[in-house]
Amino acid sequence: DIVMTQTPLSSPVTLGQPASISCRSSQSLVHSDGNTYLSWLQQRPGQPPRLLIYKISNRFSGVPDRFSGSGAGTDFTLKISRVEGEDVGVYYCMQATQFPLTFGGGTKVEIK
Amino acid sequence: EVQLVEAGGGLVQPGGSLRLSCTASGFTFSTYWMSWVRQAPGKGLEWVATIKEDGSEKYYVDSVKGRFTISRDNAKNSLYLQMNSLRVDDTAVFYCARGGRQQLLYWGLGTLVTVSS
Repeated sequence: DIVMTQTPLSSPVTLGQPASISCRSSQSLVHSDGNTYLSWLQQRPGQPPRLLIYKISNRFSGVPDRFSGSGAGTDFTLKISRVEGEDVGVYYCMQATQFPLTFGGGTKVEIK
Repeated sequence: EVQLVEAGGGLVQPGGSLRLSCTASGFTFSTYWMSWVRQAPGKGLEWVATIKEDGSEKYYVDSVKGRFTISRDNAKNSLYLQMNSLRVDDTAVFYCARGGRQQLLYWGLGTLVTVSS
């Protein structure tokens, strides 16, 4: 199974400042079709998860452009350019390159 | 608008059974892989199972193999999860999600399953 490791566990951020979350996979996420199925999800308090980014860097419909994803192979990053109050929650990376699908442990973004 | 509505959660004793359902709308259900993901209270996300568009392929996390069965009825736009031999550590909110082969694009609100005596 592919293990997804996120850092940090918690990220206190000042409103308007950037935030960055790292995700590392235990093996390459490059699929045999050439794509890398690494996604980022956001879970606000009391809400279901919501897809933010798919295939490393593609923003899903309706996702603000302050969210961006990057990386390759086994190392990936989610960046929030300027944190807003509505960004508070837990962020998960997820790989769908192979079964079983696996998630990172989550990073809690909170306002200082 | 894509909607996924889960139902069927509740309180069940250890060793008991429960059948979850997910009713989909706003998209052509029969053309998408579908998945179940769960979240234990205060914990992270755990993928449970995925089924291909026509039901011909099914995948499960090891901890539920032989106990849970994912299925679908494309005529009813519905996804199911039959859960048998439930254990206390199966207690979780179960989410239905569209996708599973590449990414999980849409998620339902979830249904809570509590396994307790």
